Amino acid sequence: LAKTTQPISMDSYEGQEVNITCSHNNIATNDYITWYQQFPSQGPRFIIQGYKTKVTNEVASLFIPADRKSSTLSLPRVSLSDTAVYYCLVGIQGRDDKIIFGKGTRLHILP
Amino acid sequence: GAVVSQHPSRVICKSGTSVKIECRSLDFQATTMFWYRQFPKQSLMLMATSNEGSKATYEQGVEKDKFLINHASLTLSTLTVTSAHPEDSSFYICSAVRRDSSYEQYFGPGTRLTVT
Repeated sequence: LAKTTQPISMDSYEGQEVNITCSHNNIATNDYITWYQQFPSQGPRFIIQGYKTKVTNEVASLFIPADRKSSTLSLPRVSLSDTAVYYCLVGIQGRDDKIIFGKGTRLHILP
Repeated sequence: GAVVSQHPSRVICKSGTSVKIECRSLDFQATTMFWYRQFPKQSLMLMATSNEGSKATYEQGVEKDKFLINHASLTLSTLTVTSAHPEDSSFYICSAVRRDSSYEQYFGPGTRLTVT
């Protein structure tokens, strides 16, 4: 399982775009990159998943460079409700493989 | 989307007693369920992998005799914390793997266990 490194915490303001970068230098060929969001006292919630280039859904975008050794989660126009912990995970999501969580990034949105 | 429930959502018990936590996949069958534990301000720590009809696989350092896992059906896994102690107080989260082509994982809402 590839190890991931993320910033421990980030602060931003309402209405701004927030980018959280994750490093995964030993990502394997078959690995996907998945981001989860977790609010206090709740289970993690799936945000987005990608393999290469760019993926966009209704809540976020995921940018993955050609070497796939890092990825960036982009949250457009954040609000106070986006304050949460964001986890970057690398692995063969899409099989019944266990997920190992890293430390995550604690995002704090300020008014 | 797929729904995973946990019961109870919150439980307080006395030291030395046992507590059972249920994890159910409500609208899909789950070949595999995972159990995590999360302490305040920390990340989720995988405790064990639960496969329907077979023994659970525990992560290193997790006592299998203390944390009993039963996966009796494709929609239900249970975690029993036996002889609970205050240090077992934590947030317990399960996830379920959908038994179809997607194999996506869905997380439950968590159970807050407090041992007094």
